[in-house]
Amino acid sequence: AQSVTQPDIHITVSEGASLELRCNYSYGATPYLFWYVQSPGQGLQLLLKYFSGDTLVQGIKGFEAEFKRSQSSFNLRKPSVHWSDAAEYFCAVVPRRGYSTLTFGKGTMLLVSP
Amino acid sequence: EAGVAQSPRYKIIEKRQSVAFWCNPISGHATLYWYQQILGQGPKLLIQFQNNGVVDDSQLPKDRFSAERLKGVDSTLKIQPAKLEDSAVYLCASSSIPMGQMNTEAFFGQGTRLTVV
Repeated sequence: AQSVTQPDIHITVSEGASLELRCNYSYGATPYLFWYVQSPGQGLQLLLKYFSGDTLVQGIKGFEAEFKRSQSSFNLRKPSVHWSDAAEYFCAVVPRRGYSTLTFGKGTMLLVSP
Repeated sequence: EAGVAQSPRYKIIEKRQSVAFWCNPISGHATLYWYQQILGQGPKLLIQFQNNGVVDDSQLPKDRFSAERLKGVDSTLKIQPAKLEDSAVYLCASSSIPMGQMNTEAFFGQGTRLTVV
């Protein structure tokens, strides 16, 4: 079955430390890949997206993600976390065909400790 | 550029009552989506419109949920009658072209938080 998995429900990182959030997908063909962030009471904001080409994608707010076809993964990274990064992060995929829609993982809640 | 507008932001109703949510997408966006986000889960697609036509409503509980986009611009999602398990955030999103095409992006509104008591 097609699915998106975010194995970590919660992650706590110290401010200034590096961050990696995991995302794995199970689809017949590589889908389009996205990372969204949701702050409390807010909608979803797109951090970055991957369609093709360079497998290391740069996004907003200092985030990047690396697509690894062999591992069916699209992990999100940030070298130094700020307290304002505390939020919920969602990996999402879209199959590569006309009227496909976003399918989201269950999300990873990021907590930032002082 | 104005974003996706949704109203109301919050709604509390009793079970078996009805409720409606409104969404105005980004100007010119032909594709509109309604998602349901239950606490602790990722958003789940309820319905997708392309202009004023329904493209995908396979996950819409049609016995109680309905949605329309009559003029191909703004949209209304209705629940009648509501159940306790309908408590969730209802997110509206829009994109200029369908998401299955390359180099597209969906923009989300702030959502409506529904509590059914």
